[in-house]
Amino acid sequence: GAVVSQHPSWVICKSGTSVKIECRSLDFQATTMFWYRQFPKQSLMLMATSNEGSKATYEQGVEKDKFLINHASLTLSTLTVTSAHPEDSSFYICSARETGTVSPTFGSGTRLTVV
Amino acid sequence: AQSVTQLDSQVPVFEEAPVELRCNYSSSVSVYLFWYVQYPNQGLQLLLKYLSGSTLVKGINGFEAEFNKSQTSFHLRKPSVHISDTAEYFCAVSDLTNAGKSTFGDGTTLTVKP
Repeated sequence: GAVVSQHPSWVICKSGTSVKIECRSLDFQATTMFWYRQFPKQSLMLMATSNEGSKATYEQGVEKDKFLINHASLTLSTLTVTSAHPEDSSFYICSARETGTVSPTFGSGTRLTVV
Repeated sequence: AQSVTQLDSQVPVFEEAPVELRCNYSSSVSVYLFWYVQYPNQGLQLLLKYLSGSTLVKGINGFEAEFNKSQTSFHLRKPSVHISDTAEYFCAVSDLTNAGKSTFGDGTTLTVKP
């Protein structure tokens, strides 16, 4: 079945630095990928839709200059948290949908801790 | 726009008992419906989905759900739960024109007690 790999699974960084999270579809091509954020004991909130070869579409209230999304190929999307602060600490999850299907496949998530 | 309401934030149940996790949704357009399970510090695993056709949907691990259009509900059921079913469960919807872009409920914590 469809597999989405997310890396790293966890990362600790210092306040003010940038962190890149990768989301790869391993056995299918995904023209569209999605990035979610999940706070402890809360639901998933969509941050942005990543489109291969074009700019990402951000949800209202999400700072596009802070959360940079790049979807340079049909199997890879990256989320870069720039100038991270402790309030950016969260669980970030990506998903990818294979063209012609309905169900997205989710990555295993990245736990970001900013100290 | 869509919204999803999971009516129970926590559901404690004894092992081998039946369980129902309730989900209502609101949408002005037709939607796809999903149930996912999440274990601590992990991503989401698809349990089942309703796209069209039969309103009773069977999924993995013995779970099933019934789509009720008139009540805009998609409740998840399992006739006999196991300790290993202890996890967070999310109901989600996506509209037909933007499949993959999901709106999630707040989640239900299922705790199975021995």
